[in-house]
Amino acid sequence: KNEVEQSPQNLTAQEGEFITINCSYSVGISALHWLQQHPGGGIVSLFMLSSGKKKHGRLIATINIQEKHSSLHITASHPRDSAVYICAVIKETSGSRLTFGEGTQLTVNP
Amino acid sequence: ETGVTQTPRHLVMGMTNKKSLKCEQHLGHNAMYWYKQSAKKPLELMFVYSLEERVENNSVPSRFSPECPNSSHLFLHLHTLQPEDSALYLCASSQWARADQPQHFGDGTRLSIL
Repeated sequence: KNEVEQSPQNLTAQEGEFITINCSYSVGISALHWLQQHPGGGIVSLFMLSSGKKKHGRLIATINIQEKHSSLHITASHPRDSAVYICAVIKETSGSRLTFGEGTQLTVNP
Repeated sequence: ETGVTQTPRHLVMGMTNKKSLKCEQHLGHNAMYWYKQSAKKPLELMFVYSLEERVENNSVPSRFSPECPNSSHLFLHLHTLQPEDSALYLCASSQWARADQPQHFGDGTRLSIL
C-alpha cells in the first residue's frame, strides 16, 4: 500500500462543474504539494501547504493534518484543466525527498 | 516555459546502446533532480545533486550514471538498459535541495527500450 493515496484515479467532468480530488497519507508530514502534469509531460507546482487553505484563481487546496487528508478543488472547470494532478508529501524525516501519489487523471469535456 | 530544458524529448534505443539524457536549468538554482515516471506508478526519485555534489542515490541500478558538471547542467548516462527501463525521465531543479522548496520540472524525455 502506498504511503500517499489519491482518489479518484480517473475523473471525467463537464465544463463548468466543481471538481474535488482527494489525497490521503499514512505518514507524519511537514507539508504537502499539489502538482499538475499536462499531456506533454511537464509538471507545474500548484501549491505547497502545511495547514488550512490556499487559493489561486479557480484552484483551492485544503489540508487537515490531524485527519491526514488534503483536497484540491477546481471551480468552474474548463477543458484546459485536463491534466494529471499529483499529490506529494514531505515526510517529517525526508530531507530533500518528496513522496508522491499515483496521480488523478482529470478530463474536462466542453 | 519552466526554465528547465530536457533533450532529447524522445529516445528509442536498443539494450546494448549507450546514450545520454541532458537537462539544463536557467533559474540559478543549486539543486537538480532526476525522476523516473512509469505508467500507473508514482514518480520515483533517482538522484539529487546539490551544488554539484550527489546527495541522494535512491538505489538506482548502475546502468544509470548521473553527472553534474556544474549547477546548471545535469546528465543521465544510460548503458545496457532493460525493457523495464522504458519510462518518462523528468529533470527538476530547486533553489536548494530541500523538499519544502518548489521544484521546477522539465518536459521530460520519453525513453523506449527495444
